[in-house]
Amino acid sequence: EVQLVESGGGLVQPGGSLKLSCAAAGFTFRGSPIHWVRQASGKGLEWLGRIKRTGDEYATAYAVSVEGRFAISRDDSKNTAYLQMNSLKSEDTAVYYCTRLGDYDALDIWGRGTMVTVSS
Amino acid sequence: DIVMTQSPLSLPVTPGEPASISCRSSRSLLHSNGKNYLHWYLQKPGQSPQLLIYLASNRASGVPDRFSGSGSGTDFTLRITRVEAEDVGLYYCMQALQLPLTFGGGTKVEIK
Repeated sequence: EVQLVESGGGLVQPGGSLKLSCAAAGFTFRGSPIHWVRQASGKGLEWLGRIKRTGDEYATAYAVSVEGRFAISRDDSKNTAYLQMNSLKSEDTAVYYCTRLGDYDALDIWGRGTMVTVSS
Repeated sequence: DIVMTQSPLSLPVTPGEPASISCRSSRSLLHSNGKNYLHWYLQKPGQSPQLLIYLASNRASGVPDRFSGSGSGTDFTLRITRVEAEDVGLYYCMQALQLPLTFGGGTKVEIK
């Protein structure tokens, strides 16, 4: 089955760190750019960043709102991507999705998301 | 950044009736390769988004043919010929022409 499964969410204090994982199955992970998108409760979708595939030197790019605080990485040997989140703020509270950029530059596979709550 | 604007915000529909959602971008999404980098997603209640339409007018795998997309440049439309109960949820357009990827604010489709 083609799927992405996020994990690692939870409650963290402001200023703290958290690392999310995104495990892939059912497709050629190493050939797939991976993006992260979040959704605060009752709000819309916000793109956070992406990591390209090995052939593109794993290039990363980030939204201004998280640049310098968040970092995306991947381990193709484990079919897993990561989102390292540092200096977390209350406004980072959201459900975090990993998603694949497939053919036609569409985000065609989405995980079920993992909840991150930043609160003291 | 490219700003995506959807309308309406909310769309109450009667089952069996048609529905239409508009999406406008702040700059043209028509690439020099002739493709419009505009995609449509449906987020059903309690679920993650799912791809409905890619490149403005192509149905994703498994999407019923009652869904269709049209438009070019800066103006796009998602149409449902006959709404069914399972179509309720939030519909988003997204541009993939350039980073950052940006989404419309969403249209909530609900049954009257």
